[in-house]
Amino acid sequence: AQSVTQLGSHVSVSEGALVLLRCNYSSSVPPYLFWYVQYPNQGLQLLLKYTTGATLVKGINGFEAEFKKSETSFHLTKPSAHMSDAAEYFCAVNLNDMRFGAGTRLTVKP
Amino acid sequence: NAGVTQTPKFQVLKTGQSMTLQCAQDMNHNSMYWYRQDPGMGLRLIYYSASEGTTDKGEVPNGYNVSRLNKREFSLRLESAAPSQTSVYFCASGVSGGYTFGSGTRLTVV
Repeated sequence: AQSVTQLGSHVSVSEGALVLLRCNYSSSVPPYLFWYVQYPNQGLQLLLKYTTGATLVKGINGFEAEFKKSETSFHLTKPSAHMSDAAEYFCAVNLNDMRFGAGTRLTVKP
Repeated sequence: NAGVTQTPKFQVLKTGQSMTLQCAQDMNHNSMYWYRQDPGMGLRLIYYSASEGTTDKGEVPNGYNVSRLNKREFSLRLESAAPSQTSVYFCASGVSGGYTFGSGTRLTVV
């Protein structure tokens, strides 16, 4: 079975501060891992993905994530938060179909 | 380039009524999916279709039926709506490397 756990349903940072959203996965084989972002009243948009190869993955809007097999983690980071980053973020794992974490709502304070 | 189109965007049903949610994609994907999104639970897979003519149950299929009408279209039917089916429904299409989502249908069952 595959699943993802997102640590923290709400994260609040100040504008310009580091963003760190945590995701751990459970999978019996190396999975494909994803981060999606959802802005209010919209569908999900792919932020970045890890399939094979380099473990540090860069995505859109300055976000990146690192696949750490030893820690079964795929945490999302951004060095400097912007007000426009406020949204809900979902980690997902895909072996046969996409399974999502519960989501982390990011608030950015001015 | 429309991507994934869902209709309707909003719907209010009375308990026991039926309705069909429509989804169409123009990306020539074989696989299509229906998810529901509830607060604090992320997205849960209802049904998916790996190819035209095939459908399979996901995590939460009870109370739903689906039809893969052709390669482009994948509909979700609620035969007898219940308040527990109040949710936001998302259709998606794609491959293991990432999905494209529609903008969602907000359904309220009273």
